[in-house]
Amino acid sequence: QVQLQESGPGLVKPSETLSLTCTVSGGPISGYSWNWIRQPPGKGLEWIAYIYYSGTTNYNPSLKSRATISVDTSKKQFSLNLRSVSAADTAMYYCVRRESSTWSFDSWGQGTLVTVSS
Amino acid sequence: DIQMTQSPSSLSAFVGDRVTITCRASQSISNYLNWYQQKSGKAPKLLIFFASTLQSGVPSRFSGSGSGTDFTLTISSLQSEDSAVYYCQQYGNWPLTFGGGTKVEIK
Repeated sequence: QVQLQESGPGLVKPSETLSLTCTVSGGPISGYSWNWIRQPPGKGLEWIAYIYYSGTTNYNPSLKSRATISVDTSKKQFSLNLRSVSAADTAMYYCVRRESSTWSFDSWGQGTLVTVSS
Repeated sequence: DIQMTQSPSSLSAFVGDRVTITCRASQSISNYLNWYQQKSGKAPKLLIFFASTLQSGVPSRFSGSGSGTDFTLTISSLQSEDSAVYYCQQYGNWPLTFGGGTKVEIK
């Protein structure tokens, strides 16, 4: 069974860059799209971006080009950089696999809470 | 962006009750809708994809229906372990968007 594990700092200062990495184990990285989804405390879910194993990407325009997603297939990792963060970016960040045939988010990491504060 | 509106935002029901949650899309998304369950402090879990197909391992008391703009998630006989927040999510258009969630509590 595939497992996803987020890693990265839990505290980021305003205007700096949030950087997270997701490590995939127990399954292949090829053949799927890999996503970041976030959830502010007590609120709903927001899709941020995806990357295919081949490197094709797509982003939520709401992030106003602040986000960059990348993949390292040799390490079975994918990463998110979010620039110029503010308190509004405080959230639980999940790395998530999207199944290509069903277009569903079928495997989720446990999530990592990132707080933006000075 | 396609807006997904869930109703009600919360509900409380007894064990054994039939529970229905509605999700409405701001424009037609065909059958391109998924449902997720999120228990407190946990990541969401996929319940249903393509509007009505049950994910492997999900109890058969969960079912989904609808197409176009109106969708429903039904729990035929509510169990105590079903206490959670339920989200719909559309993939008919980019960006992918979620409903605001429906909190289900057990009386």
